[in-house]
Amino acid sequence: KAGVTQTPRYLIKTRGQQVTLSCSPISGHRSVSWYQQTPGQGLQFLFEYFSETQRNKGNFPGRFSGRQFSNSRSEMNVSTLELGDSALYLCASNEDRYNEQFFGPGTRLTVL
Amino acid sequence: QQQVKQSPQSLIVQKGGISIINCAYENTAFDYFPWYQQFPGKGPALLIAIRPDVSEKKEGRFTISFNKSAKQFSLHIMDSQPGDSATYFCAAVSRSTLGRLYFGRGTQLTVWP
Repeated sequence: KAGVTQTPRYLIKTRGQQVTLSCSPISGHRSVSWYQQTPGQGLQFLFEYFSETQRNKGNFPGRFSGRQFSNSRSEMNVSTLELGDSALYLCASNEDRYNEQFFGPGTRLTVL
Repeated sequence: QQQVKQSPQSLIVQKGGISIINCAYENTAFDYFPWYQQFPGKGPALLIAIRPDVSEKKEGRFTISFNKSAKQFSLHIMDSQPGDSATYFCAAVSRSTLGRLYFGRGTQLTVWP
């Protein structure tokens, strides 16, 4: 099976802009989670979607949002970008039956 | 606050030596403890995982030791190799928040040849 894919891999934006990141889970996986990774805060959970419904949410401001489509693909959106949003955004998928989460390579977002 | 505490932050080991990374948690609802390995430019990859009903799990050179009463678990890498040089994260999952990993802050392991 193909692994988790994320697009784009790299992104440069300026403050105040918005951005949309995409994640395609492993075929058959219905759960998709998003994480933010920074040197200062480590890996922080953003939210998790299962069958198009947000099931869990981390402690991020409302500027961070996401959605999941009927084919399990997921997008996350960050509006009004701030310098502190510069990070590696990781997507992970799992079957939900087991707890194994498989991560994609991430999208490196730089906010100037 | 950090729900999973990981130490050390960095570790340097000679080739052939044993690398040991420790993690501790407080939430007794956690019932699944995976370890992830991350190389630069890559996403974390699942290395090995354990549930609290066993005290040890071994896969090749990697062993997880789990102490339920102390709420601690550790990763042992035997015969460490330069190719093991990476960042290692311990994590925990609660059955009530399935799909959410609580990560430790990571340990950067360097294995000298």
